[in-house]
Amino acid sequence: GESVGLHLPTLSVQEGDNSIINCAYSNSASDYFIWYKQESGKGPQFIIDIRSNMDKRQGQRVTVLLNKTVKHLSLQIAATQPGDSAVYFCADRLNGQNFVFGPGTRLSVLP
Amino acid sequence: DADVTQTPRNRITKTGKRIMLECSQTKGHDRMYWYRQDPGLGLQLIYYSFDVKDINKGEISDGYSVSRQAQAKFSLSLESAIPNQTALYFCATSDPRAGEKLFFGSGTQLSVL
Repeated sequence: GESVGLHLPTLSVQEGDNSIINCAYSNSASDYFIWYKQESGKGPQFIIDIRSNMDKRQGQRVTVLLNKTVKHLSLQIAATQPGDSAVYFCADRLNGQNFVFGPGTRLSVLP
Repeated sequence: DADVTQTPRNRITKTGKRIMLECSQTKGHDRMYWYRQDPGLGLQLIYYSFDVKDINKGEISDGYSVSRQAQAKFSLSLESAIPNQTALYFCATSDPRAGEKLFFGSGTQLSVL
């Protein structure tokens, strides 16, 4: 993940719309990537992961896309629901090393 | 019951005081971690332990120490707290045999006045 300072990016979407949350990572050799969801007052929870030998991976209502050329990771949430409101952040890792976390994006779902 | 439990959930202390944050887990994982979260920044690794006899410094270990009392317990200490250690602290566990993702506790909000 890449530190962008004290300002937390925000994304507001209408309930039912799709959400796309983006993340840039800095280590071109990273081989494993995770998206976490952090709700207010709770610890981060695993959403989905992807390895560097894949470009896309789908879960339940979520899809992660990996573009290694530009070191970019995105999380797509289909039919966004109020319960999806949270801070989302990515983490990347080089085999055998510890994760590097991005600063996160705050997703707000509007009724 | 939570798999990774942190105590206390909130703590207010004064500069110079010694503080201990505790973490216990029922997941049976060998690997445990302490992270710090500041507003607008990613999680930063303070210390980690791959088993009871193993302790490693992370990115920001200065001013902190840890103790791995058992497989299930990993505590973080601030020997002499200072205001810029005000942050949200997370404990996490992982088991490489069951995937590489981290499982986090609910966090401890520490305020140093």
